Amino acid sequence: EDKVVQSPLSLVVHEGDTVTLNCSYEVTNFRSLLWYKQEKKAPTFLFMLTSSGIEKKSGRLSSILDKKELFSILNITATQTGDSAIYLCAPRGNDMRFGAGTRLTVKP
Amino acid sequence: GAGVSQSPSNKVTEKGKDVELRCDPISGHTALYWYRQSLGQGLEFLIYFQGNSAPDKSGLPSDRFSAERTGGSVSTLTIQRTQQEDSAVYLCASSLVGVSMGNTQYFGPGTRLTVL
Repeated sequence: EDKVVQSPLSLVVHEGDTVTLNCSYEVTNFRSLLWYKQEKKAPTFLFMLTSSGIEKKSGRLSSILDKKELFSILNITATQTGDSAIYLCAPRGNDMRFGAGTRLTVKP
Repeated sequence: GAGVSQSPSNKVTEKGKDVELRCDPISGHTALYWYRQSLGQGLEFLIYFQGNSAPDKSGLPSDRFSAERTGGSVSTLTIQRTQQEDSAVYLCASSLVGVSMGNTQYFGPGTRLTVL
């Protein structure tokens, strides 16, 4: 059965800290893995990963995929209070499934 | 077990025609969401159904878009007088409970709509 597990479920840090969010998955006919940030109703797209070992970066955020070990990580450096949100991992295979997410709280 | 299913998987239509997209959520899931993803864009929220409550239609882009959910299960998204900018992948998702933060949403495979 396809599944996606994110860890930790919740994380509280202070501004300036670096965080690493984890996503492990098992999907049939894997095609890609997407990371989203959710603050309101619809997740906001961050990254799409299709190849192992190639880091994608956007400002203070970066992500990498390991298709052999079936996991991905999302790193956020120099965190800011505006980074507080739920971060969702969504592997796409025959269908697309969002994990339960990691709730990140960044305190001033 | 059975996941979220959507039909048709692909739909090509002419500008000005009406289309209906169908979503069958996972049995027992009380919440149902419609999103669309245009080429190169992120997910765009369209509408959200939760149990017997009035749907949250705040994401519908125009009055040409409507959706209903019959019997708390199957949902139909209708687009009237389609325009080329309506071309996108329309995704349906369901979750066991409502839009509480961190709840797992299960997505269907989507319907790719192309308006010529």
